[in-house]
Amino acid sequence: DTAVSQTPKYLVTQMGNDKSIKCEQNLGHDTMYWYKQDSKKFLKIMFSYNNKELIINETVPNRFSPKSPDKAHLNLHINSLELGDSAVYFCASSYRQLNTEAFFGQGTRLTVV
Amino acid sequence: AQTVTQSQPEMSVQEAETVTLSCTYDTSESDYYLFWYKQPPSRQMILVIRQEAYKQQNATENRFSVNFQKAAKSFSLKISDSQLGDAAMYFCAYRTTSRANSKLTFGKGITLSVRP
Repeated sequence: DTAVSQTPKYLVTQMGNDKSIKCEQNLGHDTMYWYKQDSKKFLKIMFSYNNKELIINETVPNRFSPKSPDKAHLNLHINSLELGDSAVYFCASSYRQLNTEAFFGQGTRLTVV
Repeated sequence: AQTVTQSQPEMSVQEAETVTLSCTYDTSESDYYLFWYKQPPSRQMILVIRQEAYKQQNATENRFSVNFQKAAKSFSLKISDSQLGDAAMYFCAYRTTSRANSKLTFGKGITLSVRP
């Protein structure tokens, strides 16, 4: 069983479109994250949710909107896609209180053309 | 804010040899967690090893061990008996114990190649 799974793995879309990436974890973790890995491989936090509550929102454009229907799911919706949004987006999960390591999904490579 | 620095962009090691990857960090906190993650070409982020700052003993996981120097804010990864499958990008990461700011801060990563 995949611990953290995100779909799709690859996403190619045109500028101006709206797209969503879905993430699910079956580890029973209470905290989920979205990270962005840019073309230079730099990983940076975008959002963090704990039990469906947004706790971290790092200077991300308003076009990005995370949604957590329950603590096992965290989706990322992106409006009006721009060329600069092309990157790999990783979902991750962990236990907040135990401060343990985060487990990552396999990443979604988003290409905006 | 915490920062993580990996100053070497690339390293190369001969198969079966030992290599050390460097990482330094900056923080004003006394308690925190440090991690090394591996990212092979498959793109999956894989935890290699973790270290709790309050533990003086260096963490070890099979062929992987760390040299944690808290005063120097240094956290290097040693890979012994390097294998071809160790070729990947390696990221050093910091995590605060503050529950309000529960996130990983990553270094820029280092690309490790293994020569057969």
